[in-house]
Amino acid sequence: AQSVSQHNHHVILSEAASLELGCNYSYGGTVNLFWYVQYPGQHLQLLLKYFSGDPLVKGIKGFEAEFIKSKFSFNLRKPSVQWSDTAEYFCAVNAGAGGTSYGKLTFGQGTILTVHP
Amino acid sequence: GAVVSQHPSWVICKSGTSVKIECRSLDFQATTMFWYRQFPKQSLMLMATSNEGSKATYEQGVEKDKFLINHASLTLSTLTVTSAHPEDSSFYICSALAGRAYEQYFGPGTRLTVT
Repeated sequence: AQSVSQHNHHVILSEAASLELGCNYSYGGTVNLFWYVQYPGQHLQLLLKYFSGDPLVKGIKGFEAEFIKSKFSFNLRKPSVQWSDTAEYFCAVNAGAGGTSYGKLTFGQGTILTVHP
Repeated sequence: GAVVSQHPSWVICKSGTSVKIECRSLDFQATTMFWYRQFPKQSLMLMATSNEGSKATYEQGVEKDKFLINHASLTLSTLTVTSAHPEDSSFYICSALAGRAYEQYFGPGTRLTVT
Protein backbone atom coordinates (compact mmCIF):
# COMPACT_ATOMS: atom_id res chain seq x y z
CA ALA A 1 0.00 0.00 0.00
CA GLN A 2 1.12 3.51 -0.66
CA SER A 3 2.37 5.73 2.12
CA VAL A 4 3.07 9.42 2.49
CA SER A 5 5.75 10.83 4.74
CA GLN A 6 6.12 14.40 5.91
CA HIS A 7 9.53 15.10 7.33
CA ASN A 8 8.75 17.63 9.99
CA HIS A 9 6.09 17.44 12.66
CA HIS A 10 6.44 21.04 13.83
CA VAL A 11 8.16 23.95 12.11
CA ILE A 12 8.60 27.30 13.81
CA LEU A 13 9.51 30.36 11.76
CA SER A 14 9.56 34.10 12.04
CA GLU A 15 7.61 36.24 9.63
CA ALA A 16 9.31 36.79 6.27
CA ALA A 17 11.32 33.59 6.57
CA SER A 18 11.22 31.12 3.71
CA LEU A 19 9.37 27.86 4.09
CA GLU A 20 9.89 24.41 2.69
CA LEU A 21 7.90 21.42 3.91
CA GLY A 22 8.95 18.02 2.72
CA CYS A 23 6.66 15.31 1.43
CA ASN A 24 7.65 11.93 0.04
CA TYR A 25 5.40 9.16 -1.13
CA SER A 26 5.86 5.52 -1.96
CA TYR A 27 4.07 4.51 -5.14
CA GLY A 28 5.62 3.76 -8.47
CA GLY A 29 2.70 4.46 -10.75
CA THR A 30 0.66 7.48 -11.73
CA VAL A 31 -0.14 9.80 -8.86
CA ASN A 32 -2.11 12.94 -8.22
CA LEU A 33 -0.61 15.07 -5.48
CA PHE A 34 -2.15 17.56 -3.11
CA TRP A 35 -1.34 19.90 -0.29
CA TYR A 36 -4.09 20.78 2.14
CA VAL A 37 -4.06 23.33 4.93
CA GLN A 38 -6.05 23.34 8.13
CA TYR A 39 -6.20 26.65 9.95
CA PRO A 40 -7.00 26.52 13.67
CA GLY A 41 -10.62 25.58 14.18
CA GLN A 42 -11.32 25.24 10.47
CA HIS A 43 -11.73 22.41 8.01
CA LEU A 44 -9.18 21.19 5.51
CA GLN A 45 -8.76 23.42 2.47
CA LEU A 46 -6.96 22.69 -0.77
CA LEU A 47 -3.76 24.70 -1.23
CA LEU A 48 -2.64 23.27 -4.54
CA LYS A 49 -2.63 20.14 -6.62
CA TYR A 50 -0.59 18.40 -9.28
CA PHE A 51 -2.09 16.11 -11.88
CA SER A 52 0.27 16.37 -14.84
CA GLY A 53 2.31 18.85 -16.87
CA ASP A 54 4.57 21.48 -15.36
CA PRO A 55 6.00 19.94 -12.18
CA LEU A 56 6.09 23.32 -10.50
CA VAL A 57 2.57 24.18 -9.42
CA LYS A 58 1.34 27.35 -7.87
CA GLY A 59 -1.45 27.48 -5.36
CA ILE A 60 -3.30 29.97 -3.29
CA LYS A 61 -1.76 32.46 -0.88
CA GLY A 62 1.66 32.42 -2.55
CA PHE A 63 2.36 28.73 -2.00
CA GLU A 64 3.97 26.53 -4.61
CA ALA A 65 5.11 22.94 -4.79
CA GLU A 66 7.47 21.01 -6.98
CA PHE A 67 6.92 17.45 -8.10
CA ILE A 68 10.18 15.57 -8.52
CA LYS A 69 9.26 12.18 -9.88
CA SER A 70 12.72 10.65 -9.46
CA LYS A 71 12.67 11.52 -5.77
CA PHE A 72 9.00 10.68 -5.20
CA SER A 73 8.73 14.09 -3.62
CA PHE A 74 6.25 16.96 -3.63
CA ASN A 75 7.67 19.66 -1.38
CA LEU A 76 5.72 22.74 -0.45
CA ARG A 77 7.39 26.14 -0.52
CA LYS A 78 6.68 29.75 0.22
CA PRO A 79 9.33 32.46 -0.11
CA SER A 80 8.09 34.63 2.75
CA VAL A 81 5.69 33.38 5.40
CA GLN A 82 3.20 35.47 7.32
CA TRP A 83 1.73 35.08 10.77
CA SER A 84 -1.55 34.12 9.11
CA ASP A 85 0.12 31.03 7.62
CA THR A 86 0.12 29.43 11.05
CA ALA A 87 -1.74 26.18 10.45
CA GLU A 88 -1.31 22.47 9.94
CA TYR A 89 -0.30 21.34 6.47
CA PHE A 90 -1.06 17.94 5.00
CA CYS A 91 0.41 16.33 1.93
CA ALA A 92 -1.90 13.83 0.24
CA VAL A 93 -1.57 11.41 -2.63
CA ASN A 94 -4.12 9.78 -4.87
CA ALA A 95 -2.38 6.73 -6.27
CA GLY A 96 -3.48 4.89 -9.36
CA ALA A 97 -5.44 7.84 -10.70
CA GLY A 98 -8.59 5.96 -11.55
CA GLY A 99 -10.62 2.80 -11.14
CA THR A 100 -11.11 1.70 -7.56
CA SER A 101 -8.65 4.32 -6.36
CA TYR A 102 -10.67 7.19 -7.84
CA GLY A 103 -10.52 10.10 -5.46
CA LYS A 104 -9.04 8.13 -2.58
CA LEU A 105 -6.40 10.07 -0.67
CA THR A 106 -3.57 8.86 1.49
CA PHE A 107 -2.44 11.60 3.85
CA GLY A 108 0.89 12.35 5.43
CA GLN A 109 1.15 12.87 9.15
CA GLY A 110 0.82 16.61 8.89
CA THR A 111 3.23 19.45 9.71
CA ILE A 112 2.28 22.13 12.17
CA LEU A 113 3.64 25.49 11.11
CA THR A 114 3.91 28.23 13.69
CA VAL A 115 4.87 31.68 12.45
CA HIS A 116 5.92 34.25 15.00
CA PRO A 117 5.23 37.90 14.19
CA GLY B 1 -17.40 27.73 -3.23
CA ALA B 2 -18.22 24.14 -2.42
CA VAL B 3 -19.25 23.69 1.19
CA VAL B 4 -19.57 20.50 3.17
CA SER B 5 -21.22 20.42 6.56
CA GLN B 6 -21.25 17.82 9.30
CA HIS B 7 -23.69 17.34 12.10
CA PRO B 8 -23.23 17.12 14.97
CA SER B 9 -19.89 18.82 15.47
CA TRP B 10 -19.45 17.15 18.84
CA VAL B 11 -21.22 14.21 20.42
CA ILE B 12 -20.83 12.27 23.66
CA CYS B 13 -22.47 8.88 23.94
CA LYS B 14 -22.43 5.99 26.36
CA SER B 15 -20.70 2.75 25.60
CA GLY B 16 -22.99 0.34 23.77
CA THR B 17 -25.14 2.97 22.11
CA SER B 18 -25.14 4.02 18.48
CA VAL B 19 -24.52 7.46 17.08
CA LYS B 20 -25.20 8.87 13.62
CA ILE B 21 -23.10 11.52 11.93
CA GLU B 22 -24.40 13.38 8.89
CA CYS B 23 -22.34 14.77 6.04
CA ARG B 24 -23.97 17.15 3.60
CA SER B 25 -22.76 18.87 0.47
CA LEU B 26 -24.57 22.19 0.66
CA ASP B 27 -24.19 23.70 -2.77
CA PHE B 28 -23.23 20.86 -5.03
CA GLN B 29 -24.09 17.26 -5.68
CA ALA B 30 -21.65 14.55 -4.77
CA THR B 31 -21.97 11.03 -6.03
CA THR B 32 -18.95 10.08 -3.97
CA MET B 33 -18.14 10.97 -0.39
CA PHE B 34 -15.38 9.74 1.85
CA TRP B 35 -15.20 9.14 5.57
CA TYR B 36 -11.95 9.61 7.44
CA ARG B 37 -10.90 9.11 11.01
CA GLN B 38 -8.27 11.19 12.73
CA PHE B 39 -6.63 10.26 16.02
CA PRO B 40 -4.97 12.95 18.11
CA LYS B 41 -1.74 14.19 16.56
CA GLN B 42 -2.10 11.74 13.71
CA SER B 43 -3.12 11.99 10.13
CA LEU B 44 -6.43 11.28 8.47
CA MET B 45 -7.08 7.64 7.77
CA LEU B 46 -9.55 6.78 5.05
CA MET B 47 -12.27 4.53 6.42
CA ALA B 48 -14.64 4.11 3.51
CA THR B 49 -15.91 5.42 0.23
CA SER B 50 -19.59 6.24 0.10
CA ASN B 51 -21.29 6.09 -3.28
CA GLU B 52 -24.79 7.36 -3.84
CA GLY B 53 -27.19 4.53 -4.53
CA SER B 54 -24.77 1.72 -3.85
CA LYS B 55 -23.01 0.04 -0.99
CA ALA B 56 -20.05 1.72 0.61
CA THR B 57 -16.61 0.25 0.11
CA TYR B 58 -14.50 -0.07 3.21
CA GLU B 59 -10.76 0.10 3.62
CA GLN B 60 -8.91 -2.88 4.96
CA GLY B 61 -9.31 -3.26 8.69
CA VAL B 62 -12.48 -1.17 8.97
CA GLU B 63 -15.46 -3.10 10.34
CA LYS B 64 -18.36 -2.50 8.00
CA ASP B 65 -20.89 -3.82 10.51
CA LYS B 66 -19.66 -1.35 13.09
CA PHE B 67 -19.41 1.70 10.85
CA LEU B 68 -22.58 1.76 8.79
CA ILE B 69 -22.57 4.14 5.86
CA ASN B 70 -25.62 5.21 3.92
CA HIS B 71 -25.45 7.56 0.94
CA ALA B 72 -29.14 8.14 0.46
CA SER B 73 -28.99 11.16 -1.82
CA LEU B 74 -26.56 13.19 -3.86
CA THR B 75 -26.09 15.58 -0.97
CA LEU B 76 -26.18 13.39 2.12
CA SER B 77 -24.09 10.58 3.50
CA THR B 78 -24.40 9.27 7.03
CA LEU B 79 -21.99 7.33 9.21
CA THR B 80 -23.48 5.36 12.08
CA VAL B 81 -21.14 4.06 14.74
CA THR B 82 -22.95 1.07 16.19
CA SER B 83 -22.43 -0.31 19.68
CA ALA B 84 -19.85 2.36 20.35
CA HIS B 85 -16.91 1.68 22.63
CA PRO B 86 -14.41 4.09 24.15
CA GLU B 87 -11.83 3.09 21.53
CA ASP B 88 -14.18 4.50 18.88
CA SER B 89 -13.64 7.95 20.35
CA SER B 90 -12.06 9.97 17.59
CA PHE B 91 -12.49 12.82 15.15
CA TYR B 92 -14.51 11.79 12.11
CA ILE B 93 -14.22 13.84 8.94
CA CYS B 94 -16.14 13.50 5.71
CA SER B 95 -15.34 14.84 2.29
CA ALA B 96 -17.29 15.12 -0.92
CA LEU B 97 -15.94 14.74 -4.41
CA ALA B 98 -16.97 17.66 -6.59
CA GLY B 99 -17.60 17.54 -10.30
CA ARG B 100 -14.04 18.36 -11.23
CA ALA B 101 -11.91 15.29 -11.02
CA TYR B 102 -10.32 14.60 -7.69
CA GLU B 103 -11.38 17.86 -6.04
CA GLN B 104 -12.45 16.92 -2.53
CA TYR B 105 -14.13 19.32 -0.15
CA PHE B 106 -13.92 18.54 3.51
CA GLY B 107 -16.39 18.92 6.30
CA PRO B 108 -15.40 20.46 9.63
CA GLY B 109 -15.36 17.13 11.41
CA THR B 110 -17.28 15.52 14.28
CA ARG B 111 -15.65 14.82 17.62
CA LEU B 112 -17.05 11.59 19.09
CA THR B 113 -16.44 10.76 22.73
CA VAL B 114 -17.66 7.43 24.04
CA THR B 115 -17.86 7.14 27.82
